Amino acid sequence: SQKIEQNSEALNIQEGKTATLTCNYTNYSPAYLQWYRQDPGRGPVFLLLIRENEKEKRKERLKVTFDTTLKQSLFHITASQPADSATYLCALDMGGGGNKLTFGTGTQLKVEL
Amino acid sequence: GAVVSQHPSRVICKSGTSVKIECRSLDFQATTMFWYRQFPKQSLMLMATSNEGSKATYEQGVEKDKFLINHASLTLSTLTVTSAHPEDSSFYICSARDPSGGGGSQETQYFGPGTRLLVL
Repeated sequence: SQKIEQNSEALNIQEGKTATLTCNYTNYSPAYLQWYRQDPGRGPVFLLLIRENEKEKRKERLKVTFDTTLKQSLFHITASQPADSATYLCALDMGGGGNKLTFGTGTQLKVEL
Repeated sequence: GAVVSQHPSRVICKSGTSVKIECRSLDFQATTMFWYRQFPKQSLMLMATSNEGSKATYEQGVEKDKFLINHASLTLSTLTVTSAHPEDSSFYICSARDPSGGGGSQETQYFGPGTRLLVL
């Protein structure tokens, strides 16, 4: 079965710095990978999707890379703000059709003033 | 666009009772919806895939007779937790795919706000 690891349980950074979150996976080569944001007590909110043939994707202050050789995705938030504080989840398709996702445990990001 | 709602947002029930949770896609038609469960400090675990007009597909280890799923229309899926017990207390979240892409891609899942279930 697919195993997904996200680096550290919590990441504290200073406002204005770039936050970098890591997602590593094993056992399978997904066709795409997604990043979501989850606030406490709320459902995840979709941020970005990157496909296996894409190296990098950007959206405003967000950037995602996808290295299928290393089986790793990096998620960057530039010019971070306290409002970016949340848990960030990576999710991979489980294969076999049906667009089912397997989620990582998430990285909690806290941006401090 | 691509908004998903859930009702109720929070429910407390007695052990042995049944609880129904509704998941609605508000501005798109969803032929496929997904139900997840999330325990504190843990990630989302897929419970089942709900397909409009057909039986749900359950993940390994999920009891289909305990977690009844009905997807009667293109905008509504329901999850009924039957004979709930304290160990069923969790955060239940649904998601839906917008086949048209909804400004994103067809693979993107749009999540509801979740339902907090507490069984006493």
